[in-house]
Amino acid sequence: QVQLVESGGGLVKPGGSLRLSCAASGFTFSDYYMSWIRQAPGKGLEWVSLITNSGDFTKYEDSVRGRFTISRDNAKNLLYLQMNSLTAEDTAVYYCARDYMGGGSGSYRPWGQGTLVTVSS
Amino acid sequence: QSVLTQAPSASGTPGQRVTLSCSGSSSNIGRNTVNWYQQLPGTAPKLLIYSNHQRPSGVPDRFSGSKSGTSASLAISGLQSEDEADYYCSTWDDSLTAVVFGGGTKLTVL
Repeated sequence: QVQLVESGGGLVKPGGSLRLSCAASGFTFSDYYMSWIRQAPGKGLEWVSLITNSGDFTKYEDSVRGRFTISRDNAKNLLYLQMNSLTAEDTAVYYCARDYMGGGSGSYRPWGQGTLVTVSS
Repeated sequence: QSVLTQAPSASGTPGQRVTLSCSGSSSNIGRNTVNWYQQLPGTAPKLLIYSNHQRPSGVPDRFSGSKSGTSASLAISGLQSEDEADYYCSTWDDSLTAVVFGGGTKLTVL
């Protein structure tokens, strides 16, 4: 079945870096735009970044632009999020999600189970 | 402060019909389609409605969506205890050139 599994979360100090991965299975990964969406503890959903199916175009939320980099390896069915210069405000569960309608519509199905990133000294 | 505005909470009794709202502007809901998500406690969000009123396979027809101008609504009929969850709306914002979410509505089934 269609599945997304995130990994790479953990505890990191302010100013540190972390790389998240998302393993896709059950569908033709290279056909779909993908996104990262995060949710701070007890808060709502916040879109972070998207990447086109070929990887030739990316988009970022203002607060992470210049610090985060989204990428993908279509041969390995993997999506990545490289996060640098992390701050406490980046503490959240990070979800990867497959774009359902295409073109950055904001519709996502399915979502991964999420991976928790905690930024603290 | 979310770009899309949702009431923080709503409630209903079993069997009742409830309507959740999502308010935006001409740069987002006014120009683009709206999606709705259900997030049960401790789980990832699930797509309930896309393109304003379309239901993905497996979503019961008790859930329906609509859009008018710069606002959208999610209606849940025949409310059940398992519908107790957080509900979020989303769309694309042409000015921000970003996907935007509402702050979410926590639905309680009394």
